Amino acid sequence: AQTVTQSQPEMSVQEAETVTLSCTYDTSESDYYLFWYKQPPSRQMILVIRQEAYKQQNATENRFSVNFQKAAKSFSLKISDSQLGDAAMYFCAYRGETSGSRLTFGEGTQLTVNP
Amino acid sequence: DGGITQSPKYLFRKEGQNVTLSCEQNLNHDAMYWYRQDPGQGLRLIYYSQIVNDFQKGDIAEGYSVSREKKESFPLTVTSAQKNPTAFYLCASSIGGQSNEKLFFGSGTQLSVL
Repeated sequence: AQTVTQSQPEMSVQEAETVTLSCTYDTSESDYYLFWYKQPPSRQMILVIRQEAYKQQNATENRFSVNFQKAAKSFSLKISDSQLGDAAMYFCAYRGETSGSRLTFGEGTQLTVNP
Repeated sequence: DGGITQSPKYLFRKEGQNVTLSCEQNLNHDAMYWYRQDPGQGLRLIYYSQIVNDFQKGDIAEGYSVSREKKESFPLTVTSAQKNPTAFYLCASSIGGQSNEKLFFGSGTQLSVL
């Protein structure tokens, strides 16, 4: 079974600084998709960014980018120019080709942004 | 506006009682999901449905039941067999059939035991 691990329960960053959230996963599949979701205090889950495993280029969405290391099974999220609105719980998620539409989530990282 | 509506926002269950959480979507999505979130933990899949009149168990289906009689609706019943039902429940939907598709989430229901 696939597993997703986020080893940092909590992280903090100063406003305007950069922070990196870690995620590792375990799979025997060669083709899969990885996602980062954000859950602000409202508890509404929002997709931040996604990456196809067959693509070597790291995905980027404005201030959010990933560092995808397929061999190391690592998928970290970098947030540049952190803003107060970035404060949230961040979840890494995995979907494999044989998973159908099922997503497997990590435990989450609580990000605090200090003014 | 299109989206997913979950109700109620807060729900209380008495011992031995079944309760039903509502989830409605007007996004014309084929696939729908129920996740459970416990404090300090990630989301765990309870049930999912990829098409009307069909659904599959997720990782923690025991003590729960679902139905999918209409495309727009995917209610979750928490039965008395679920001994630890206190959690935050999230419903989601997706277009269906695409591996890179994103999930659209509702705003959740917090279930507590009296």
